[in-house]
Amino acid sequence: GESVGLHLPTLSVQEGDNSIINCAYSNSASDYFIWYKQESGKGPQFIIDIRSNMDKRQGQRVTVLLNKTVKHLSLQIAATQPGDSAVYFCAENYYSSYKLIFGSGTRLLVRP
Amino acid sequence: DGGITQSPKYLFRKEGQNVTLSCEQNLNHDAMYWYRQDPGQGLRLIYYSQIVNDFQKGDIAEGYSVSREKKESFPLTVTSAQKNPTAFYLCASSSVGGSNQPQHFGDGTRLSIL
Repeated sequence: GESVGLHLPTLSVQEGDNSIINCAYSNSASDYFIWYKQESGKGPQFIIDIRSNMDKRQGQRVTVLLNKTVKHLSLQIAATQPGDSAVYFCAENYYSSYKLIFGSGTRLLVRP
Repeated sequence: DGGITQSPKYLFRKEGQNVTLSCEQNLNHDAMYWYRQDPGQGLRLIYYSQIVNDFQKGDIAEGYSVSREKKESFPLTVTSAQKNPTAFYLCASSSVGGSNQPQHFGDGTRLSIL
């Protein structure tokens, strides 16, 4: 399949380790945030979301942390597996509108 | 199986030609979106539609057109006015209320110039 991004920041982790992917968002008025996973040649897949009235939300093997003070979002993946290898995007919802603003993505590589 | 279907998966355009990308959803979502993705970049919004027979320009609408005649369908036409059409095009939808709801994506159409 085609590469999603040829010059993306890359995080390389050992299988079984935890992964932390970081994202700085742009607008202090953004009130909803989403993490997506994109595999090569496919569309982004929803992972987890968080609203601005929360600072942490957990899903299955994933946790999203939101720090509004420094406009920072992170995605933690526990016990990273080879199937987690993909490009991960954060997105912010601008002023509760229909518009999402996407970051440029981070490539996660899982070493066996 | 509910989801978003984009077709074709690969599309080639000749100089001066308009091409239309199909997007169909059976999620009963009111809002639909078209994005463009270039290598090394995030997604950029081309057009979006909140309800049938209504749509708004996104950040990079020049050279593109859309229609929303049915709730399930939101086709995108890449016109000859779009001078750099080579990209990966993604369609998405979200439920009524739009804001603070995740957008769900199809698997994209890759458009190239012949």
